[in-house]
Amino acid sequence: SQQGEEDPQALSIQEGENATMNCSYKTSINNLQWYRQNSGRGLVHLILIRSNEREKHSGRLRVTLDTSKKSSSLLITASRAADTASYFCATDLGYNFNKFYFGSGTKLNVKP
Amino acid sequence: AAGVIQSPRHLIKEKRETATLKCYPIPRHDTVYWYQQGPGQDPQFLISFYEKMQSDKGSIPDRFSAQQFSDYHSELNMSSLELGDSALYFCASSLGQAQSDEQFFGPGTRLTVL
Repeated sequence: SQQGEEDPQALSIQEGENATMNCSYKTSINNLQWYRQNSGRGLVHLILIRSNEREKHSGRLRVTLDTSKKSSSLLITASRAADTASYFCATDLGYNFNKFYFGSGTKLNVKP
Repeated sequence: AAGVIQSPRHLIKEKRETATLKCYPIPRHDTVYWYQQGPGQDPQFLISFYEKMQSDKGSIPDRFSAQQFSDYHSELNMSSLELGDSALYFCASSLGQAQSDEQFFGPGTRLTVL
């Protein structure tokens, strides 16, 4: 991937457990966004975190950003079977606002 | 709230045919982005437009062209289609390009080339 790399590539957990996905990127950024995509469906925006923010919450989602390590993590707490999807991080390039680079995604499977 | 609209949602074409995908951004959004997502792949940026001018270009083949019209909708024209063009094509829109706030994505057009 040009910018974001995600880890792990696949994650399988039981309903009720927490899921943590990580994303690393290569250049400085203005912001980082997490998206979710159900199989063969559209991208759904989850959360945006700006480069001057360290942590952000939205419902059961918690995103952290460490610009010194060029990495971000997405934590889904109390996972549900409906959370089964692929999760992508997307970053811009610090000098280029006009396009986002997506990581290769983490495929999350939440078993009921 | 109005979202990004893409049409058609599904399209089946033969090799060497042409296809036109349309994107209608959220009202008042002036920036449109096109992404291509192949099977099992991450989305790849193709091209973007701001105020009807091309603002950036990514990995878009020469067989593809795009434009943004006066009403800010955009069309992606794909000619001499190849099997490898089968993918989900997403359009996204945003308000301005002064800062990269979230891009709102459309539902995508699934193109199948036979």
